[in-house]
Amino acid sequence: NAGVTQTPKFQVLKTGQSMTLQCAQDMNHEYMSWYRQDPGMGLRLIHYSVGAGITDQGEVPNGYNVSRSTTEDFPLRLLSAAPSQTSVYFCASSHSVWRLGGYEQYFGPGTRLTVT
Amino acid sequence: ELKVEQNPLFLSMQEGKNYTIYCNYSTTSDRLYWYRQDPGKSLESLFVLLSNGAVKQEGRLMASLDTKARLSTLHITAAVHDLSATYFCAVLYNNNDMRFGAGTRLTVKP
Repeated sequence: NAGVTQTPKFQVLKTGQSMTLQCAQDMNHEYMSWYRQDPGMGLRLIHYSVGAGITDQGEVPNGYNVSRSTTEDFPLRLLSAAPSQTSVYFCASSHSVWRLGGYEQYFGPGTRLTVT
Repeated sequence: ELKVEQNPLFLSMQEGKNYTIYCNYSTTSDRLYWYRQDPGKSLESLFVLLSNGAVKQEGRLMASLDTKARLSTLHITAAVHDLSATYFCAVLYNNNDMRFGAGTRLTVKP
């Protein structure tokens, strides 16, 4: 199993450009999520999905869109990049039934995004 | 809204010493997670704590959860250099929303 994969590893955008960060998992996990990590602030949840066709907002959703057409893939779209979106982005996945068994989340390697 | 506070944020320890990292959270939750992150790397799951009084141990690390006090601790016993990393606690909020603390950057010196 490759686990959780993310592409690209690094990206530089100009203000106003759009792009999609890719995330895929091969563990048949139903729950997938996107976080951003900024220095000194820990990780903050952007969007999550509990299954194909179902997405919801997390703590900091503004400026980002997601969709979940398959179990495996959960892309994150930046609509019009801003310098405030400079961050490291992590995708994660887990079995869906959080409250039964306390499944752990598996994190991807991250995408380092710089917006100039 | 849930807030998660860790302390200390920075911790420098001598090898062989013991210390505790604290994680306080502001609203009811009975699911707490501890993660480790090495510089420039992703997060690695350490512990999942599911109920009040839960205690889990792995090597020199032991985590506990007190849901009544809204407090989790990560205790380090006889620290070694390999434990140098940033440690995050995270709390499950409203079933699907996970909130992280700011992290504790641990440095273990010989």
